Amino acid sequence: QVQLQESGPGLVKPSQTLSLTCTVSGGSISSDGYSWNWIRQFPGKGLEWIGYIYKSGTTHYNPSLKSRLSMSVDTSKNQFSLNLSSATAADTAVYYCARDNKFCTDGRCYGMDVWGQGTTVNVSS
Amino acid sequence: DIQMTQSPSSLSASVGDRVTITCRASQDINNYITWFQQRPGKAPKSLIYAASSLRNGVPSRFTGSGSGTDFTLTISSLQPEDFATYYCHQYKSYPHTFGLGTTLEIK
Repeated sequence: QVQLQESGPGLVKPSQTLSLTCTVSGGSISSDGYSWNWIRQFPGKGLEWIGYIYKSGTTHYNPSLKSRLSMSVDTSKNQFSLNLSSATAADTAVYYCARDNKFCTDGRCYGMDVWGQGTTVNVSS
Repeated sequence: DIQMTQSPSSLSASVGDRVTITCRASQDINNYITWFQQRPGKAPKSLIYAASSLRNGVPSRFTGSGSGTDFTLTISSLQPEDFATYYCHQYKSYPHTFGLGTTLEIK
Protein backbone atom coordinates (compact mmCIF):
# COMPACT_ATOMS: atom_id res chain seq x y z
CA GLN A 1 0.00 0.00 0.00
CA VAL A 2 1.33 3.39 -0.99
CA GLN A 3 2.59 5.64 1.80
CA LEU A 4 3.85 9.21 1.67
CA GLN A 5 6.27 10.85 4.10
CA GLU A 6 7.17 14.52 4.23
CA SER A 7 10.56 15.74 5.40
CA GLY A 8 12.35 19.04 5.76
CA PRO A 9 13.34 21.76 8.23
CA GLY A 10 10.82 22.56 10.93
CA LEU A 11 12.06 26.12 11.23
CA VAL A 12 12.68 28.59 8.39
CA LYS A 13 13.78 32.19 8.76
CA PRO A 14 11.72 34.94 7.14
CA SER A 15 12.77 35.72 3.56
CA GLN A 16 14.43 32.32 3.18
CA THR A 17 13.20 29.46 1.00
CA LEU A 18 10.98 26.79 2.52
CA SER A 19 12.00 23.42 1.08
CA LEU A 20 10.25 20.10 1.64
CA THR A 21 10.47 16.62 0.16
CA CYS A 22 7.86 13.88 -0.05
CA THR A 23 9.07 10.29 -0.28
CA VAL A 24 6.75 7.72 -1.82
CA SER A 25 6.96 4.13 -0.61
CA GLY A 26 4.99 1.00 -1.48
CA GLY A 27 4.49 2.21 -5.05
CA SER A 28 6.19 4.07 -7.88
CA ILE A 29 5.94 7.79 -8.47
CA SER A 30 6.37 6.90 -12.14
CA SER A 31 3.06 5.05 -12.35
CA ASP A 32 0.58 6.48 -14.81
CA GLY A 33 -2.57 8.21 -13.67
CA TYR A 34 -1.43 10.11 -10.62
CA SER A 35 -0.51 13.66 -9.76
CA TRP A 36 1.53 14.42 -6.67
CA ASN A 37 0.24 17.27 -4.57
CA TRP A 38 1.14 19.58 -1.74
CA ILE A 39 -1.50 20.93 0.66
CA ARG A 40 -1.00 22.98 3.78
CA GLN A 41 -3.05 23.47 6.92
CA PHE A 42 -2.79 26.72 8.82
CA PRO A 43 -2.79 26.97 12.61
CA GLY A 44 -6.46 27.96 12.51
CA LYS A 45 -7.05 24.62 10.69
CA GLY A 46 -7.97 26.00 7.25
CA LEU A 47 -6.58 24.02 4.30
CA GLU A 48 -4.97 25.36 1.12
CA TRP A 49 -4.06 23.38 -1.99
CA ILE A 50 -0.56 24.45 -3.05
CA GLY A 51 0.03 22.65 -6.34
CA TYR A 52 0.83 19.40 -8.11
CA ILE A 53 3.46 17.78 -10.23
CA TYR A 54 3.31 14.81 -12.58
CA LYS A 55 6.08 12.26 -13.10
CA SER A 56 6.90 14.09 -16.33
CA GLY A 57 7.64 17.28 -14.39
CA THR A 58 4.47 19.05 -15.54
CA THR A 59 3.22 21.32 -12.77
CA HIS A 60 0.14 23.32 -11.83
CA TYR A 61 0.34 25.84 -9.01
CA ASN A 62 -2.16 27.75 -6.94
CA PRO A 63 -2.21 31.26 -8.47
CA SER A 64 -1.92 32.73 -4.98
CA LEU A 65 1.53 31.16 -4.60
CA LYS A 66 2.70 30.87 -8.19
CA SER A 67 5.26 33.67 -8.09
CA ARG A 68 7.13 32.06 -5.15
CA LEU A 69 6.63 28.38 -5.85
CA SER A 70 8.52 25.66 -7.65
CA MET A 71 8.13 21.90 -7.58
CA SER A 72 10.33 19.12 -8.85
CA VAL A 73 10.26 15.36 -9.11
CA ASP A 74 13.06 12.80 -8.82
CA THR A 75 11.78 9.50 -10.15
CA SER A 76 15.04 7.70 -9.33
CA LYS A 77 14.49 8.45 -5.64
CA ASN A 78 10.69 8.18 -5.76
CA GLN A 79 10.45 11.69 -4.37
CA PHE A 80 8.93 15.04 -5.20
CA SER A 81 9.77 18.39 -3.66
CA LEU A 82 8.46 21.86 -2.97
CA ASN A 83 10.35 25.15 -2.78
CA LEU A 84 8.56 28.25 -1.56
CA SER A 85 10.72 31.35 -1.70
CA SER A 86 10.57 34.55 0.36
CA ALA A 87 8.88 32.80 3.26
CA THR A 88 6.92 34.85 5.79
CA ALA A 89 5.10 34.06 9.01
CA ALA A 90 1.96 33.57 6.91
CA ASP A 91 3.58 30.41 5.50
CA THR A 92 3.66 28.79 8.95
CA ALA A 93 1.57 25.64 8.59
CA VAL A 94 1.51 21.87 8.56
CA TYR A 95 2.50 20.77 5.06
CA TYR A 96 1.04 17.58 3.59
CA CYS A 97 1.86 15.71 0.43
CA ALA A 98 -0.92 13.71 -1.18
CA ARG A 99 -1.56 11.53 -4.22
CA ASP A 100 -4.36 12.50 -6.57
CA ASN A 101 -5.67 9.40 -8.33
CA LYS A 102 -6.86 10.42 -11.80
CA PHE A 103 -8.57 7.14 -12.61
CA CYS A 104 -12.32 7.07 -13.02
CA THR A 105 -14.90 4.30 -13.19
CA ASP A 106 -18.44 4.91 -14.44
CA GLY A 107 -18.07 8.65 -14.06
CA ARG A 108 -16.65 8.39 -10.55
CA CYS A 109 -13.11 9.72 -10.25
CA TYR A 110 -11.04 8.58 -7.30
CA GLY A 111 -9.48 11.88 -6.29
CA MET A 112 -6.99 12.48 -3.51
CA ASP A 113 -6.72 9.06 -1.91
CA VAL A 114 -3.43 8.93 0.02
CA TRP A 115 -2.00 11.57 2.33
CA GLY A 116 1.23 11.87 4.25
CA GLN A 117 1.37 12.45 8.00
CA GLY A 118 2.31 16.10 7.55
CA THR A 119 5.28 18.13 8.71
CA THR A 120 5.10 21.33 10.72
CA VAL A 121 6.98 24.34 9.39
CA ASN A 122 7.40 27.49 11.44
CA VAL A 123 8.63 30.64 9.74
CA SER A 124 10.28 32.70 12.43
CA SER A 125 13.51 34.50 13.17
CA ASP B 1 -12.18 29.78 -6.89
CA ILE B 2 -14.99 27.47 -5.76
CA GLN B 3 -15.99 28.12 -2.16
CA MET B 4 -16.99 25.15 0.00
CA THR B 5 -19.28 26.10 2.88
CA GLN B 6 -19.37 23.35 5.49
CA SER B 7 -21.71 23.12 8.47
CA PRO B 8 -21.89 22.81 11.34
CA SER B 9 -18.41 23.82 12.49
CA SER B 10 -18.79 21.60 15.54
CA LEU B 11 -21.19 18.96 16.71
CA SER B 12 -21.68 17.18 20.04
CA ALA B 13 -23.06 13.66 19.89
CA SER B 14 -23.08 10.35 21.72
CA VAL B 15 -21.92 6.88 20.73
CA GLY B 16 -24.67 5.30 18.66
CA ASP B 17 -26.07 8.61 17.37
CA ARG B 18 -26.66 9.38 13.72
CA VAL B 19 -25.05 12.61 12.55
CA THR B 20 -25.05 14.55 9.29
CA ILE B 21 -22.54 17.09 8.02
CA THR B 22 -23.28 19.26 5.01
CA CYS B 23 -21.17 21.00 2.42
CA ARG B 24 -22.36 23.49 -0.18
CA ALA B 25 -20.29 24.45 -3.22
CA SER B 26 -20.46 27.96 -4.65
CA GLN B 27 -20.97 26.47 -8.12
CA ASP B 28 -21.86 23.15 -9.69
CA ILE B 29 -19.12 20.58 -9.02
CA ASN B 30 -21.08 17.55 -10.30
CA ASN B 31 -19.90 14.74 -7.99
CA TYR B 32 -16.27 15.87 -7.60
CA ILE B 33 -16.19 15.93 -3.82
CA THR B 34 -14.32 13.86 -1.27
CA TRP B 35 -14.79 13.67 2.48
CA PHE B 36 -11.89 12.99 4.78
CA GLN B 37 -11.36 12.45 8.47
CA GLN B 38 -8.57 13.97 10.52
CA ARG B 39 -7.59 12.87 13.99
CA PRO B 40 -5.09 14.96 16.01
CA GLY B 41 -1.54 14.31 14.87
CA LYS B 42 -2.63 11.78 12.25
CA ALA B 43 -2.62 11.80 8.46
CA PRO B 44 -5.92 12.80 6.88
CA LYS B 45 -7.87 9.71 5.89
CA SER B 46 -10.03 9.83 2.80
CA LEU B 47 -13.44 8.24 3.43
CA ILE B 48 -15.58 8.95 0.40
CA TYR B 49 -14.90 9.98 -3.20
CA ALA B 50 -17.18 11.03 -6.03
CA ALA B 51 -19.73 12.22 -3.46
CA SER B 52 -21.00 8.78 -2.49
CA SER B 53 -18.39 6.06 -3.14
CA LEU B 54 -16.81 4.49 -0.08
CA ARG B 55 -13.04 4.00 -0.07
CA ASN B 56 -11.82 0.46 0.48
CA GLY B 57 -11.80 -0.47 4.13
CA VAL B 58 -14.04 2.38 5.29
CA PRO B 59 -16.94 1.16 7.46
CA SER B 60 -20.37 1.16 5.86
CA ARG B 61 -21.77 3.41 8.60
CA PHE B 62 -20.26 6.28 6.57
CA THR B 63 -22.39 7.40 3.64
CA GLY B 64 -22.14 10.33 1.29
CA SER B 65 -24.77 11.83 -0.94
CA GLY B 66 -25.50 14.78 -3.17
CA SER B 67 -24.68 16.18 -6.55
CA GLY B 68 -24.23 19.61 -8.07
CA THR B 69 -23.83 22.01 -5.16
CA ASP B 70 -25.23 20.31 -2.05
CA PHE B 71 -23.63 17.34 -0.34
CA THR B 72 -23.90 15.43 2.93
CA LEU B 73 -21.80 13.02 4.96
CA THR B 74 -23.78 10.84 7.34
CA ILE B 75 -22.44 8.58 10.06
CA SER B 76 -25.24 6.19 10.93
CA SER B 77 -24.15 4.96 14.35
CA LEU B 78 -21.25 6.80 15.91
CA GLN B 79 -18.38 4.75 17.27
CA PRO B 80 -15.74 6.06 19.72
CA GLU B 81 -13.11 6.21 16.96
CA ASP B 82 -15.33 8.50 14.85
CA PHE B 83 -14.84 11.51 17.10
CA ALA B 84 -12.56 13.58 14.90
CA THR B 85 -12.67 16.46 12.44
CA TYR B 86 -14.21 16.00 8.99
CA TYR B 87 -13.55 18.03 5.87
CA CYS B 88 -15.07 18.22 2.42
CA HIS B 89 -12.87 18.84 -0.61
CA GLN B 90 -13.82 19.72 -4.19
CA TYR B 91 -11.70 18.48 -7.07
CA LYS B 92 -13.87 19.67 -9.94
CA SER B 93 -11.50 22.51 -10.79
CA TYR B 94 -8.23 24.10 -9.78
CA PRO B 95 -7.37 25.39 -7.32
CA HIS B 96 -8.84 22.57 -5.29
CA THR B 97 -10.60 23.95 -2.24
CA PHE B 98 -11.74 22.66 1.14
CA GLY B 99 -14.46 23.23 3.69
CA LEU B 100 -13.44 24.65 7.06
CA GLY B 101 -14.13 21.40 8.85
CA THR B 102 -16.60 19.94 11.33
CA THR B 103 -15.31 18.80 14.72
CA LEU B 104 -17.30 15.93 16.15
CA GLU B 105 -17.13 15.88 19.94
CA ILE B 106 -18.37 13.43 22.52
CA LYS B 107 -21.43 14.69 24.37
